[in-house]
Amino acid sequence: QKEVEQDPGPLSVPEGAIVSLNCTYSNSAFQYFMWYRQYSRKGPELLMYTYSSGNKEDGRFTAQVDKSSKYISLFIRDSQPSDSATYLCASRLFTGANSKLTFGKGITLSVRP
Amino acid sequence: NAGVTQTPKFQVLKTGQSMTLQCAQDMNHNSMYWYRQDPGMGLRLIYYSASEGTTDKGEVPNGYNVSRLNKREFSLRLESAAPSQTSVYFCASSPGTDYEQYFGPGTRLTVT
Repeated sequence: QKEVEQDPGPLSVPEGAIVSLNCTYSNSAFQYFMWYRQYSRKGPELLMYTYSSGNKEDGRFTAQVDKSSKYISLFIRDSQPSDSATYLCASRLFTGANSKLTFGKGITLSVRP
Repeated sequence: NAGVTQTPKFQVLKTGQSMTLQCAQDMNHNSMYWYRQDPGMGLRLIYYSASEGTTDKGEVPNGYNVSRLNKREFSLRLESAAPSQTSVYFCASSPGTDYEQYFGPGTRLTVT
């Protein structure tokens, strides 16, 4: 079992829909949780970054972490065609020289005009 | 600032050939990383360098070597390429291992 599992997708929604992207993780020592967005034939870019449990909002995007159920979510409100991309969740330990990121496999989102 | 740059963008190799993928960052970051991305497998860490002068193996290091040439540059070498190394390779950097990573545009490598 991978330490970070992500819904395989792909996912296609109409413009304006609310999108929910989800990951689960198995390592209870993970403390930091990230969502990266990757456009086609580009490198991933950091979208949201949260520490421990709770919600973080940035415009139309909300990242949610539930440590009790080891669940990571990204919500996109009023989705736009420009949101069409692959979304990767990632987790890492609290700190340390060997604190590497563990990525989910990514889910490809398509927002239809 | 160019951020993280990678060369080449595309490469086709024959089995057994060798090549070096180059990566440079201009953000004065301490840590640098090499990943490969394959369909259905996500991003997998090959090697990383927590700071200048140090390198460590990641999840899939077999068949690769790395050199942290200086603070800016981190190269990945394939000594004898195999078809299983066909992939998209990404270099990333971060201020330290406890910070978010910034990715380059990738190198698409095909080994025939």
